[in-house]
Amino acid sequence: TQLLEQSPQFLSIQEGENLTVYCNSSSVFSSLQWYRQEPGEGPVLLVTVVTGGEVKKLKRLTFQFGDARKDSSLHITAAQPGDTGLYLCAGAPLNTGFQKLVFGTGTRLLVSP
Amino acid sequence: DAMVIQNPRYQVTQFGKPVTLSCSQTLNHNVMYWYQQKSSQAPKLLFHYYDKDFNNEADTPDNFQSRRPNTSFCFLDIRSPGLGDAAMYLCATSGIGENEQFFGPGTRLTVL
Repeated sequence: TQLLEQSPQFLSIQEGENLTVYCNSSSVFSSLQWYRQEPGEGPVLLVTVVTGGEVKKLKRLTFQFGDARKDSSLHITAAQPGDTGLYLCAGAPLNTGFQKLVFGTGTRLLVSP
Repeated sequence: DAMVIQNPRYQVTQFGKPVTLSCSQTLNHNVMYWYQQKSSQAPKLLFHYYDKDFNNEADTPDNFQSRRPNTSFCFLDIRSPGLGDAAMYLCATSGIGENEQFFGPGTRLTVL
């Protein structure tokens, strides 16, 4: 069974602080997505990383895919209350005939003003 | 804008009373998924359609059924809801060969 473990599970910080969320697995993925989900809403796709070592930036968010494509990180600079939500990583396993995503365990972020 | 729409956003039903949730999409994606999500947990895949081909997850209870009458619409039927079925139900779509999934806003189901 392929698993994606996220850490931390919960993070409560003040506006302006930096933070990093980790997504780790012992399995290799062909790609990895990061989603943000606000309370009462569906997950919204933030980014997809495909190449080992790839780094993508989305304003204050920086995403990195591990060299071996087994792990990923999300770094937020100068967090704002609008960043509050549940962050989910999701990986596409190799060699599956179907596009089934393995979801991470989730990181709940609370940014206080 | 192309999107995934779910109706209703909130559904209240009684224990054992059948309920149907709907999903429609304007993305023209071939693959549609239904997920169950309980509080602050990751979404759990119930089943998916690859075009008209239905694929059930091994651990999805028989109580959950689905229909896809055409490319744009997909329905989730819960035949006899139990208290444990109270959750957020998410519909998602993807294009063939694409790993990115696009989610609807979800339907919050309450079972009384």
